[in-house]
Amino acid sequence: SQQGEEDPQALSIQEGENATMNCSYKTSINNLQWYRQNSGRGLVHLILIRSNEREKHSGRLRVTLDTSKKSSSLLITASRAADTASYFCATWDGPVWGNAGKSTFGDGTTLTVKP
Amino acid sequence: DVKVTQSSRYLVKRTGEKVFLECVQDMDHENMFWYRQDPGLGLRLIYFSYDVKMKEKGDIPEGYSVSREKKERFSLILESASTNQTSMYLCASTGQTYEQYFGPGTRLTVT
Repeated sequence: SQQGEEDPQALSIQEGENATMNCSYKTSINNLQWYRQNSGRGLVHLILIRSNEREKHSGRLRVTLDTSKKSSSLLITASRAADTASYFCATWDGPVWGNAGKSTFGDGTTLTVKP
Repeated sequence: DVKVTQSSRYLVKRTGEKVFLECVQDMDHENMFWYRQDPGLGLRLIYFSYDVKMKEKGDIPEGYSVSREKKERFSLILESASTNQTSMYLCASTGQTYEQYFGPGTRLTVT
């Protein structure tokens, strides 16, 4: 199964509400990242949290990381219709053997924000 | 801003054809990646490269090969396209910060 698994698979909320997405993973990581993908497009990097960090903020985004539980959550506060997209977590296992390593993506959470 | 471009947004090929997907990045990144994205399966890593002429297999390399002759360019090759390779193909690059910058994707249909 995937290293990163998001929960829930789909989330529908009203504009102004908060959206919380969770990610679980199985092996040790260097860092964990969250990405957004609008329909039919490439992914856009949102935020990175290192394995020695517990919480990180960026604008309306708040990410937490619990390495003991191998889980992370992404909170989007005061959501907007423009936040409608798929959100993916990605764990990074590098650097390994002189290269930067690689990441493993989860299946994603599809967020719909209704105006 | 980092820019990652892919040679085609949409591509239709026939079974058995050799297919080349090109990816170019303009930020002098060492690391480049090829993923495929399928509904319900998320993104799966096909191959990655951390230097010119270096390549590493990802999770699903079968049926694919890659080439990296120049630092800015990473090519994915389908030696003999099959219908199960119909997918969205995404290229990404990263430098020392681990943040991956993605291209717009190539939606490949093999008939």
